Amino acid sequence: QVQLVQSGSELKKPGASVKVSCKASGFTVTAYAMNWVRQAPGQGLEWMGWINTNTGNPTYAQGFTGRFDFSLDTSVSTAYLQISSLKAEDSAVYYCARDDGVKAFDIWGQGTMVTVSS
Amino acid sequence: QSALTQPASVSGSPGQSITISCTGTSSDVGGYNYVSWYQQHPGKAPKLMIYEVSNRPSGVSNRFSGSKSGNTASLTISGLQAEDEGDYYCSSYTSSITLVFGGGTKLTVL
Repeated sequence: QVQLVQSGSELKKPGASVKVSCKASGFTVTAYAMNWVRQAPGQGLEWMGWINTNTGNPTYAQGFTGRFDFSLDTSVSTAYLQISSLKAEDSAVYYCARDDGVKAFDIWGQGTMVTVSS
Repeated sequence: QSALTQPASVSGSPGQSITISCTGTSSDVGGYNYVSWYQQHPGKAPKLMIYEVSNRPSGVSNRFSGSKSGNTASLTISGLQAEDEGDYYCSSYTSSITLVFGGGTKLTVL
């Protein structure tokens, strides 16, 4: 079954870091680009960027540089999103999504809720 | 990159047709045929409904159709059903080699 399975919800204090995982199954992860999308509570979708699964090269959207890091471990077919120096405004659901080659996301993870609160 | 412009809400009765617009610029919607549409139900991940302006993925009902004219793309849902209720988002590839989403449209089936 083709799917992306993400890690569970996280509760973090401001200033801490969080690492969200996204495990691919049913397909070869290096055959597709992997994207990350943020959805703040009650808000719309926001594209964060993507990682080239062949080279490991990440591309970050405006507003997601500096504290955000995309990485990949092809040996376990897993993409990662790490956010450092967490702020309250980072509280959101984070999705990984597979780009099917035509800039459309055909497979999505179930989402990981990250809550930043003291 | 500014978000694409969508109406905040649309509504329709069962059996009717509705259209959701998605307005961008010549640097995104108008410049590329990489416009996609997603449906999202509360608490769920988005689902791809249309890609490359007007193509439907396997398994998506043919009641969903997409089109584009100039800098505006549109999603039309015909024969509206209660299960169509939810949030809809458009997205487009951009000249900055990025992707941008629309602000989202809440569809209510009356």
